[in-house]
Amino acid sequence: KAGVTQTPRYLIKTRGQQVTLSCSPISGHRSVSWYQQTPGQGLQFLFEYFSETQRNKGNFPGRFSGRQFSNSRSEMNVSTLELGDSALYLCASSLSWANEKLFFGSGTQLSVL
Amino acid sequence: AQTVTQSQPEMSVQEAETVTLSCTYDTSESDYYLFWYKQPPSRQMILVIRQEAYKQQNATENRFSVNFQKAAKSFSLKISDSQLGDAAMYFCAYRSDRVQGAQKLVFGQGTRLTINP
Repeated sequence: KAGVTQTPRYLIKTRGQQVTLSCSPISGHRSVSWYQQTPGQGLQFLFEYFSETQRNKGNFPGRFSGRQFSNSRSEMNVSTLELGDSALYLCASSLSWANEKLFFGSGTQLSVL
Repeated sequence: AQTVTQSQPEMSVQEAETVTLSCTYDTSESDYYLFWYKQPPSRQMILVIRQEAYKQQNATENRFSVNFQKAAKSFSLKISDSQLGDAAMYFCAYRSDRVQGAQKLVFGQGTRLTINP
C-alpha cells in the first residue's frame, strides 16, 4: 500500500506569490491534517479535514487555507507569501478523524525569496 | 492550552548502548494520547511508539519503551541496543482525546539523537 504522497517535494517562490501544495493520503484514509515545520517555531498544526469538511484549524492567518476532495486528496494554499512562510509543510492521514494513528508524508519544502 | 517540552536539544550514544530521551507536558485533561515520532533526514515523520493516558502499563515496541508518569506529566523514551539507523530527530507529541481535537498533535521542539559507531 502506498504511503502518504506530497507534491512537489521542493518549491521556490517569491514574496507576494501564492502557492498550492498537494497531499494524497493512504488509500482508504479519509482524514488529512497539515503541519508547518520551521526551525524557530517547530511543528505547528495548520488544519484538519475529514469528508471534505474542515474539522479543526490552528492559529494561522487567513492566508493559509485548504480543502479536501471527494477522493480524500487534500490541497493547501498560501496566498501573498511572506519570507516567514518558508518551511517544511507536512501532511498526515488517518483512517478517520477519531483514529489517533497518523501517517506522515515526506513533506514539501517551501522556500520564499 | 497544552504544551510539550523536550529539554534535551541533542543527545548522543554509543552503538549498542541505551539512551533515554526526556519529555514533559502540561495539560488539564485526563484522557489523551502521547507519542514519540522519529524524523530521519528523509523528513518523513515515523511513529515510534504511543501511549494512552488511561493505561498504567508502559508501552513497548521492540527496542523502544516509554516511562509514563501521569502524575508527574512525564513521558520519556528509552532506546535499547542503539543502532546506527536510530539516528534522527525525535519528537514527543500530545493529542487530546476530545473529539474536536482528534488530529491535532502538539509537538515538542525535538531532540537530535546521534549514534556513535
